[in-house]
Amino acid sequence: GDSVTQMEGPVTLSEEAFLTINCTYTATGYPSLFWYVQYPGEGLQLLLKATKADDKGSNKGFEATYRKETTSFHLEKGSVQVSDSAVYFCALTPDYNQGGKLIFGQGTELSVKP
Amino acid sequence: GAVVSQHPSWVICKSGTSVKIECRSLDFQATTMFWYRQFPKQSLMLMATSNEGSKATYEQGVEKDKFLINHASLTLSTLTVTSAHPEDSSFYICSAIGGQGRTEAFFGQGTRLTVV
Repeated sequence: GDSVTQMEGPVTLSEEAFLTINCTYTATGYPSLFWYVQYPGEGLQLLLKATKADDKGSNKGFEATYRKETTSFHLEKGSVQVSDSAVYFCALTPDYNQGGKLIFGQGTELSVKP
Repeated sequence: GAVVSQHPSWVICKSGTSVKIECRSLDFQATTMFWYRQFPKQSLMLMATSNEGSKATYEQGVEKDKFLINHASLTLSTLTVTSAHPEDSSFYICSAIGGQGRTEAFFGQGTRLTVV
């Protein structure tokens, strides 16, 4: 079945460092891809998404490009801030029209130190 | 974005009792709600999908008689863990989508269930 694999955490960075969180997926069809973020004590929030190959999702300085050839959707940010400390989840939905039915990676905890 | 509220945020119950978790969409009508379960250091696993006014659709391996889901209105879905046991201890999260053409899911903050 469809699945998502993320790099394990925790990831600890200094402020203004470059961030990459790897995400690869397995899917039989043409999934839509998402990154969600969960700040301490809060629910998951959609960070960005891409619905087809070569699409780039971006938000709050974060970017991810839908790479069908490598089945990847790596999350990047050029300069992280302390406020970016959170757990990041990569996810897919097999059918864009069922955006709520998500398959998640295991999550990657990011800790940014001043 | 839209707001989804879960209640309670955490609950401790005795083995053999039942626990109800509520998921409410506060500012939109949720045509579909989803229930996930998350084990420590693991991903969220979809348990079931519920549409307002109809029976929930459970994922393979999820016991529908143990995890009762009701979606009686467009703003409320409930998950009842029946005859809870320590192995049911987990973090339960709901999400909701709704409205014409809306496909983004909005998540509740989750409920930490501990069965002792």
